[in-house]
Amino acid sequence: GAGVSQSPSNKVTEKGKDVELRCDPISGHTALYWYRQSLGQGLEFLIYFQGNSAPDKSGLPSDRFSAERTGGSVSTLTIQRTQQEDSAVYLCASSFLKGQGSTDTQYFGPGTRLTVL
Amino acid sequence: AQTVTQSQPEMSVQEAETVTLSCTYDTSESDYYLFWYKQPPSRQMILVIRQEAYKQQNATENRFSVNFQKAAKSFSLKISDSQLGDAAMYFCAYRRVSGNTPLVFGKGTRLSVIA
Repeated sequence: GAGVSQSPSNKVTEKGKDVELRCDPISGHTALYWYRQSLGQGLEFLIYFQGNSAPDKSGLPSDRFSAERTGGSVSTLTIQRTQQEDSAVYLCASSFLKGQGSTDTQYFGPGTRLTVL
Repeated sequence: AQTVTQSQPEMSVQEAETVTLSCTYDTSESDYYLFWYKQPPSRQMILVIRQEAYKQQNATENRFSVNFQKAAKSFSLKISDSQLGDAAMYFCAYRRVSGNTPLVFGKGTRLSVIA
């Protein structure tokens, strides 16, 4: 596609339910990132995938959060047993790995606004 | 750990005037990249400008320019001839040189443009 797409655009769920957020990166991009943006805050890194390497999960706030990237393309972020503090905008970005140290631009999707009631 | 600080939660500027948004950062690295992203109400993060730390020359993109002071760890964004479409949240971000590492963001500055 022309850009990074995310679905759904908005998601309202009840506390304790599981949710899945989807990210479709730009075709050919090798790196994919998930960030979380809470109200009035900057973006907080969650997880990133780079090619076939093991993902960097260092930003995941708890074991209720997990993500996978199938076939090196589409990624799904899953939040189990959602809590009210999980309410935020979840942004996905992708970039193309050109080489060590390159300033590969991260292109962002429009995000998914998650509201946990 | 690297941190990015934006000390101005909100700024406003008259249309056609110039405004400067501040950003400071903390790192022990000598090589890194700095970015300014714009986020309009649509939530889409848009890259405005980027700077490689090893370059002394300040980056410029049309009406947008930066004042990069490496020793002071300061990276401000100047918007000239402000337009109504410039109204948005602006985020300063940092990234290490090595690999496709995640961006570290400041908390943002909300810019209003007054007609």
